Amino acid sequence: EIVLTQSPGTLSLSPGERATLSCRASQSVSSSYLAWYQQKPGQAPRLLIYGASSRATGIPDRFSGSGSGTDFTLTISRLEPEDFAVYYCQQYGSSQNTFGQGTKLEIK
Amino acid sequence: EVQLVQSGAEVKKPGESLRISCKGSGYSFTSYWISWVRQMPGKGLEWMGRIDPSDSYTNYSPSFQGHVTISADKSISTAYLQWSSLKASDTAMYYCARHNEWEPIDPWGQGTLVTVSS
Repeated sequence: EIVLTQSPGTLSLSPGERATLSCRASQSVSSSYLAWYQQKPGQAPRLLIYGASSRATGIPDRFSGSGSGTDFTLTISRLEPEDFAVYYCQQYGSSQNTFGQGTKLEIK
Repeated sequence: EVQLVQSGAEVKKPGESLRISCKGSGYSFTSYWISWVRQMPGKGLEWMGRIDPSDSYTNYSPSFQGHVTISADKSISTAYLQWSSLKASDTAMYYCARHNEWEPIDPWGQGTLVTVSS
């Protein structure tokens, strides 16, 4: 089973700032089958990024993903008030899908 | 519009059995897998397992193998998650979600809250 470790656990930033979230895998993620999800309180997760760097339908271009192998990054270029939420990475390149433990992005 | 609609919240006692459901609409139900994801109170997402509704083939996370059963009835486009004997530690929100092999999970159902308490 591939273990995903996200860092930091909590990120405190202000609107307008740039956010950089990390996801590290215990072994190489096949063909960059790595996704990022956003979850707000009381809501189901929403797909943001798939294939490590492709934005899902309707996702603003301030969200971008990068990385390959074992190291992946989600970047939010300029934080909007609605971006403060919990973010999860997920690998779907093996028969056992796994999620990271999440990064909480909070308003500073 | 692709939708996954889950059954309502449940309150059960330890030792009771339970089956929750997830009905797909707006797409060919047998063309996509359904996964179940657990979220314990205040915690992260845990992938439990998935089913291919076309042939009912299942694949479980080792953490959940033997503790839950995933099934589907393709005639009514519905997937299920079932427990034979609930524990307090099963208290969580459970999400169903659609995907295929080598695809991310999208969309998600609205979630079913299961509370197990004596």
